[in-house]
Amino acid sequence: DVKVTQSSRYLVKRTGEKVFLECVQDMDHENMFWYRQDPGLGLRLIYFSYDVKMKEKGDIPEGYSVSREKKERFSLILESASTNQTSMYLCASSLALRVTREGYTFGSGTRLTVV
Amino acid sequence: AQSVAQPEDQVNVAEGNPLTVKCTYSVSGNPYLFWYVQYPNRGLQFLLKYITGDNLVKGSYGFEAEFNKSQTSFHLKKPSALVSDSALYFCAVRPDRGSTLGRLYFGRGTQLTVWP
Repeated sequence: DVKVTQSSRYLVKRTGEKVFLECVQDMDHENMFWYRQDPGLGLRLIYFSYDVKMKEKGDIPEGYSVSREKKERFSLILESASTNQTSMYLCASSLALRVTREGYTFGSGTRLTVV
Repeated sequence: AQSVAQPEDQVNVAEGNPLTVKCTYSVSGNPYLFWYVQYPNRGLQFLLKYITGDNLVKGSYGFEAEFNKSQTSFHLKKPSALVSDSALYFCAVRPDRGSTLGRLYFGRGTQLTVWP
């Protein structure tokens, strides 16, 4: 089975802290994604990456950055955490989107609370 | 623009009754359609997909979905609901062509509650 592992299930951080959310996949997928999920708003795409060192902004990139130094790892960085970034963060991966008919495989999520 | 609508925020059904969770979509070209399920404090799990072929597709846990091209719909169904089906359900679409790198577009989700 494809595994997408997010390093923390629950995280509590203080306002202004720099926060790193880590995601690792073990199936050699080219594409990786970061979403945040909020009640009533569904899933909103923050950033995605289709190759090492490549990144594309999603719909809500403000306040976030990402890093993909290795194919299997995609990190989401909150440069200076704020309370409005309290949310569930979901990582996903997939094969190259131009060739695959598959969807995504998701991690279990990280519930981040910024106090 | 690609989009997905799930017109019902909540669906309530009694155990043993049939259930339907609705999804309509807008996409350039032909759609690839997906349903995912999310249990509390978990990630999304794949249920089923439509790519091409038979309009009725079967998936995990006894779920099925019917693709209707003229109505641009992809409703999720199950003949007999279980209490354990209670969860949040997401419909997603991606076009089979275009410049969006094939990313999935998700609906806002429908909370299904099955009463014993």
